[in-house]
Amino acid sequence: ELKVEQNPLFLSMQEGKNYTIYCNYSTTSDRLYWYRQDPGKSLESLFVLLSNGAVKQEGRLMASLDTKARLSTLHITAAVHDLSATYFCAVVFYNTDKLIFGTGTRLQVFP
Amino acid sequence: GAGVSQTPSNKVTEKGKYVELRCDPISGHTALYWYRQSLGQGPEFLIYFQGTGAADDSGLPNDRFFAVRPEGSVSTLKIQRTERGDSAVYLCASSLSGWDTEAFFGQGTRLTVV
Repeated sequence: ELKVEQNPLFLSMQEGKNYTIYCNYSTTSDRLYWYRQDPGKSLESLFVLLSNGAVKQEGRLMASLDTKARLSTLHITAAVHDLSATYFCAVVFYNTDKLIFGTGTRLQVFP
Repeated sequence: GAGVSQTPSNKVTEKGKYVELRCDPISGHTALYWYRQSLGQGPEFLIYFQGTGAADDSGLPNDRFFAVRPEGSVSTLKIQRTERGDSAVYLCASSLSGWDTEAFFGQGTRLTVV
């Protein structure tokens, strides 16, 4: 079964703190995406990770991929309120044309 | 156009009615995807078009759902005999050639079946 799981589902964190969101997937992937979604808005692509050990960083967000563990992480450094949103990981599984999404992590950053 | 455009942005319909949701992809994008997102959930794959043909329609939940892309550009998602459980945001995305190229999502159509 093609499955993508994220945890935590909900994350409330204080400004300035660090935290990590985890994304596990069930079988071999071709690529993995991280998206951001603001309430009532569409999906904004943040990162695409293609190979084992890939690491990408943009501002306070850093994403990594371990294909052997079938695990990706999204690390938040020194959170700010503007990062409050729902974050999804999504996987294109090997030999498919489907992008399968996780359930999302709703992040709230408070002062 | 500048991005993926979906119309209408909101649609309220009565149970049992027929609805059509439209997606205008980015010009030149051959790949087009439909997803459905229920409240508090991640988007769920429905169908993938490559050009005019449906390359994978395995996500369509039942035969009340159908999608077309007759000229390889605009796509229409059609839902017959709507049910309350069909209420969701329907998202469309397009990419240049497939998931090996960056995909861009539209704003979605919020469908409410009453």
